[in-house]
Amino acid sequence: EVQLVESGGGLVQPGGSLRLSCAASGFIVSSNYMHWIRQTPEKGLEWVSTIYSDGGSFHTDSVKGRFTISRDISKNTLYLEMNSLRTEDTAVYYCARGIYGGTFGNWGQGTLVSVSS
Amino acid sequence: EIVMTQSPATLSVSPGDGATLSCRASQRISTNLAWYHQKPGQAPRLLIYGASTRATGIPARFSGSGSGTEFTLTISSLQSEDFAVFYCQQYQSWPYSFGQGTKLDIK
Repeated sequence: EVQLVESGGGLVQPGGSLRLSCAASGFIVSSNYMHWIRQTPEKGLEWVSTIYSDGGSFHTDSVKGRFTISRDISKNTLYLEMNSLRTEDTAVYYCARGIYGGTFGNWGQGTLVSVSS
Repeated sequence: EIVMTQSPATLSVSPGDGATLSCRASQRISTNLAWYHQKPGQAPRLLIYGASTRATGIPARFSGSGSGTEFTLTISSLQSEDFAVFYCQQYQSWPYSFGQGTKLDIK
């Protein structure tokens, strides 16, 4: 059974940093496209970052230079390193496994990131 | 960036009835369109991909149609577990984008 479990969310001040983790089971992270997606009541669902099976990665414009997506093959875990956090980064962050081309087929339960002074 | 627009924002329907949800893309996206539903406190779940193909385990009462810029999700004979928020998502080009959602609630 495919399972994704996020952790690492919390309250952080503007300008601070957090690292989100997404532990996967039932499949191999490095053999799949993996994504981070965030959700707020105001903006809805927003794709944030993607890492390809070949290791290539990219991010939405609003987080470029601040967020980094990565993975640990030995731990079968996906990460999102978030630096220079802004209040507008406040959201529930989900990791997801990409399937069927560009869809998000399996999701974690989400982890809440709150950026506030 | 492709903007996805869903309508209506809210749809009130009685259990057992059918419902039709719409999604429009600001540019042509062929059939690179997915539908998700999300219950309160849960993550979204993939229902449809390729505009009309049901994902694994999705009941036949869910059907999708459309291509280009206009898409429809039809749900026949609504069950209690179907009342949720539905999102469409395009994967024609980056950044992949979602609609703002249609809330399906019980009449």
